Amino acid sequence: QQQVKQSPQSLIVQKGGISIINCAYENTAFDYFPWYQQFPGKGPALLIAIRPDVSEKKEGRFTISFNKSAKQFSLHIMDSQPGDSATYFCAARGSSGYALNFGKGTSLLVTP
Amino acid sequence: DAGITQSPRYKITETGRQVTLMCHQTWSHSYMFWYRQDLGHGLRLIYYSAAADITDKGEVPDGYVVSRSKTENFPLTLESATRSQTSVYFCASSDGQGQPQHFGDGTRLSIL
Repeated sequence: QQQVKQSPQSLIVQKGGISIINCAYENTAFDYFPWYQQFPGKGPALLIAIRPDVSEKKEGRFTISFNKSAKQFSLHIMDSQPGDSATYFCAARGSSGYALNFGKGTSLLVTP
Repeated sequence: DAGITQSPRYKITETGRQVTLMCHQTWSHSYMFWYRQDLGHGLRLIYYSAAADITDKGEVPDGYVVSRSKTENFPLTLESATRSQTSVYFCASSDGQGQPQHFGDGTRLSIL
């Protein structure tokens, strides 16, 4: 079954706006939560990641918010730009695991 | 250039044929992974390898075979291709447990 649930499936945001993508998980053994960005014809590229000992991590315009008690985490893209238009995947991995469990992805379109 | 290379980038074949997708990485990463990406499913793990001669099944291994005789190569073989295996296949590698995964640009495989 899907171990990481991601929403929304698609998102349209105006340039300068805030894009928010949400993910939820059930497995409390997960301890690493990355976000990947994928452009058409390319492989996913690591964007930002967080571990559950912090509630927020910011890198430039990208912020992960993490709520351990709710088992939810989200990606916020501030001042969204047309170049941010891509598919975004959240993922999770356990401390004893190797492989990532991915959400189904969110297709983001930032309009000029 | 250092990185992870997949070949071929595109492949069309017929049902029942054997096809091998290649993956080569120049980082000497110990871990390598094969995922398939399908619309509505995100990325799903097929097989992974923790080191040369060590492989293990992922979420969707049926119909696939892998080998890892050398650290830098991790080929994926479809022994008798079926239409349901039409997908985009991504190879990834990481330097160790808990380290980020780096993805290739994928192989788009169509089975007629």
